[in-house]
Amino acid sequence: DQQVKQNSPSLSVQEGRISILNCDYTNSMFDYFLWYKKYPAEGPTFLISISSIKDKNEDGRFTVFLNKSAKHLSLHIVPSQPGDSAVYFCAAPDTQGGSEKLVFGKGTKLTVNP
Amino acid sequence: DSGVTQTPKHLITATGQRVTLRCSPRSGDLSVYWYQQSLDQGLQFLIQYYNGEERAKGNILERFSAQQFPDLHSELNLSSLELGDSALYFCASSVGASSYNEQFFGPGTRLTVL
Repeated sequence: DQQVKQNSPSLSVQEGRISILNCDYTNSMFDYFLWYKKYPAEGPTFLISISSIKDKNEDGRFTVFLNKSAKHLSLHIVPSQPGDSAVYFCAAPDTQGGSEKLVFGKGTKLTVNP
Repeated sequence: DSGVTQTPKHLITATGQRVTLRCSPRSGDLSVYWYQQSLDQGLQFLIQYYNGEERAKGNILERFSAQQFPDLHSELNLSSLELGDSALYFCASSVGASSYNEQFFGPGTRLTVL
């Protein structure tokens, strides 16, 4: 049962353009969301997060938007750079069932072409 | 470099065997998490230890076990290995016990079961 879904396995964009990575969730109890970035042969690294009390959080070229009614969030990268080519994971803490854990989507592989 | 170390980087073994994966958390971090990433899957949470005690459990098979030692390093033991256990195993650490804390990931151990 996938509580966090990233329906696009891959995305390709041109350098300088906007990259939009999408994430949907099914659990309305989720109140915090994180994006992690992963390069090949490395572990994921934290990128940006958003609390459900906000609908937008910005950090430099990275902005995350949250639409609670649609249970949807998106990560915008503007402008995209070749070094942004990586796999991006959306995640949320699941606090139900008496055991708190981070649940991840399957990831979207972003390729930024020079 | 996240500060989290994992050994070995690669492990090739046969079905039915037992292996041990080792993780050293960042200095000062008390929580250690273990994740499994199979082909085309997101990161699946296995188990969390906080300051030596089991804190949360995910979809960890009974053939798998883990522990955290007094020096806070952790080991994940996988026994009676099956072909389907072939995956990347990541360790992560964080300062606190909550999954809302940023987690820092190691580079992973790639396990291949032949």
